[in-house]
Amino acid sequence: NAGVTQTPKFHILKIGQSMTLQCTQDMNHNYMYWYRQDPGMGLKLIYYSVGAGITDKGEVPNGYNVSRSTTEDFPLRLELAAPSQTSVYFCASSPQGAGELFFGEGSRLTVL
Amino acid sequence: GESVGLHLPTLSVQEGDNSIINCAYSNSASDYFIWYKQESGKGPQFIIDIRSNMDKRQGQRVTVLLNKTVKHLSLQIAATQPGDSAVYFCAEKGSGGSNYKLTFGKGTLLTVNP
Repeated sequence: NAGVTQTPKFHILKIGQSMTLQCTQDMNHNYMYWYRQDPGMGLKLIYYSVGAGITDKGEVPNGYNVSRSTTEDFPLRLELAAPSQTSVYFCASSPQGAGELFFGEGSRLTVL
Repeated sequence: GESVGLHLPTLSVQEGDNSIINCAYSNSASDYFIWYKQESGKGPQFIIDIRSNMDKRQGQRVTVLLNKTVKHLSLQIAATQPGDSAVYFCAEKGSGGSNYKLTFGKGTLLTVNP
């Protein structure tokens, strides 16, 4: 199993541009999460999903959107990128909700 | 609201010593706690968890202690090795509407000196 795969690993965006961070998992987990991690800080939950077709906001959802059309995929869309969205983004999945989360390697995004 | 915090942002130990990483939480309704390890450039990895009906849980070289009276959690690593160098996060799961989500603390950077 590849686990949780995130693409791209690195990306530079200009202010006002939009992009989608891709996340896919091959473990058939129902629960999927997007976190952001700023330097020297913990992880902040952006959005999560408890199954295909169901998504909900986390702590810091403003400026982001998600969709969950399949169990495997949980893309994160950034609309009108701002410098405050410069961060490392982690996607995670779990078979049982808020328990052992399986994280991807992260996507480092810089907005200039 | 919920919050999970760390007493010390950095910890430096000698190889072979025992390490203790502390975490305070504020939500007395939290019923499940997890420790994660994050190596440089990687995503966090699950280490060990504990439910609120337990005081102690042991894994391989790691022990988690939970003191609900003072809302304190600690991770003990025995015979610390260079491979243990990483940032360690505690995370808590709330109850009710927060049942599907984990709240992470800021993390403690553990450096193991050879």
